[in-house]
Amino acid sequence: AQTVTQSQPEMSVQEAETVTLSCTYDTSESDYYLFWYKQPPSRQMILVIRQEAYKQQNATENRFSVNFQKAAKSFSLKISDSQLGDAAMYFCAYRSANYGQNFVFGPGTRLSVLP
Amino acid sequence: DTGVSQNPRHKITKRGQNVTFRCDPISEHNRLYWYRQTLGQGPEFLTYFQNEAQLEKSRLLSDRFSAERPKGSFSTLEIQRTEQGDSAMYLCASSPGQVHGTEAFFGQGTRLTVV
Repeated sequence: AQTVTQSQPEMSVQEAETVTLSCTYDTSESDYYLFWYKQPPSRQMILVIRQEAYKQQNATENRFSVNFQKAAKSFSLKISDSQLGDAAMYFCAYRSANYGQNFVFGPGTRLSVLP
Repeated sequence: DTGVSQNPRHKITKRGQNVTFRCDPISEHNRLYWYRQTLGQGPEFLTYFQNEAQLEKSRLLSDRFSAERPKGSFSTLEIQRTEQGDSAMYLCASSPGQVHGTEAFFGQGTRLTVV
């Protein structure tokens, strides 16, 4: 079974600075998808960024980018120019490319943004 | 609003009572997921539907839990003889079936408190 690990339970960053959240996963599959989700306090989970394992190019979405290292099974999220609204729980998630597989989530990293 | 809708948002019940939650997915999505999330943890997979077929169930889903998705539209999750350990946030998510790598779209969840 696939597992997702996030080794940083809590992180903090100064407003306008850059922070990197770590994620590693374990799988024997070669084709899969990886996601970062954001869950603000008392609000629903929303997608931040996604990465297809077959793509070598790292995904970027505005201030958010990933460092995908397939051989190392590592998928970190970099947030540039951090804003107060970025404060939230961040979850790394894995999904197999095989039809019908569910999403496997890590335990999350709580990010605080300091003014 | 065309997002995933969950009702009720909050439920307080006495131990031993039965509870039922409802999830209305995004209308064109044929995949529907149920997850459970306890405080400070990542979502844990419970079960998954493709249209009306329940394709996968976690071993977390004891025989007190049952889920249905009649006609492949809304879904219900019932917990019988609730226990204090059932207290958690129950999340519903949906995704399109045509593209495997599409992310899951989450509802705001139903927070269950068993007293």
